[in-house]
Amino acid sequence: GQNIDQPTEMTATEGAIVQINCTYQTSGFNGLFWYQQHAGEAPTFLSYNVLDGLEEKGRFSSFLSRSKGYSYLLLKELQMKDSASYLCAVRDRQDSSYKLIFGSGTRLLVRP
Amino acid sequence: EAGVTQSPTHLIKTRGQQATLRCSPISGHTSVYWYQQALGLGLQFLLWYDEGEERNRGNFPPRFSGRQFPNYSSELNVNALELEDSALYLCASSLGGARASTDTQYFGPGTRLTVL
Repeated sequence: GQNIDQPTEMTATEGAIVQINCTYQTSGFNGLFWYQQHAGEAPTFLSYNVLDGLEEKGRFSSFLSRSKGYSYLLLKELQMKDSASYLCAVRDRQDSSYKLIFGSGTRLLVRP
Repeated sequence: EAGVTQSPTHLIKTRGQQATLRCSPISGHTSVYWYQQALGLGLQFLLWYDEGEERNRGNFPPRFSGRQFPNYSSELNVNALELEDSALYLCASSLGGARASTDTQYFGPGTRLTVL
């Protein structure tokens, strides 16, 4: 089957570092995406991993281990505007489809 | 460069009515994906169109349908609306064909459908 798990909520302090974990099970893995979604808005693309390892993009980094079915998103130097939901999504190539399978999202609250 | 656009922003309908939602992809993108995000739930895949054809659909009843036009814009139709169809409907676009397997999906702002 297909399953994506991530924590429901996390709280962190402005200026700190936070790591949001994601574990997945899918039969047709073809890449993992992280999106940021502010309440009532569209998801915006943050990062993409298809090979094992760390991808760094400014204050955001994402890590993937395909053998463990595990990824994390690392946010450094947290800002108040980082308060949002973070969505982990796996691209599934089963049935020749490249749909994204999403977790339920992790709501991050950044406190002053 | 313009992003993915969707219309209308909000749509209010009553049970049994039909809703039509529209999406224009990023210029150069031929793949359009539709997702439903019900309150408190994750995004659920609805439909995928590429180069004018329906390529795949998610686990939704047949009253959810759509099409893609020659200019690659797309329309999602929901017939016989039910209360549980109330959700944010998101459209995403990407490069199509063989590149659909590697390209990122970029999302539009969504249409919030409320069924009364």
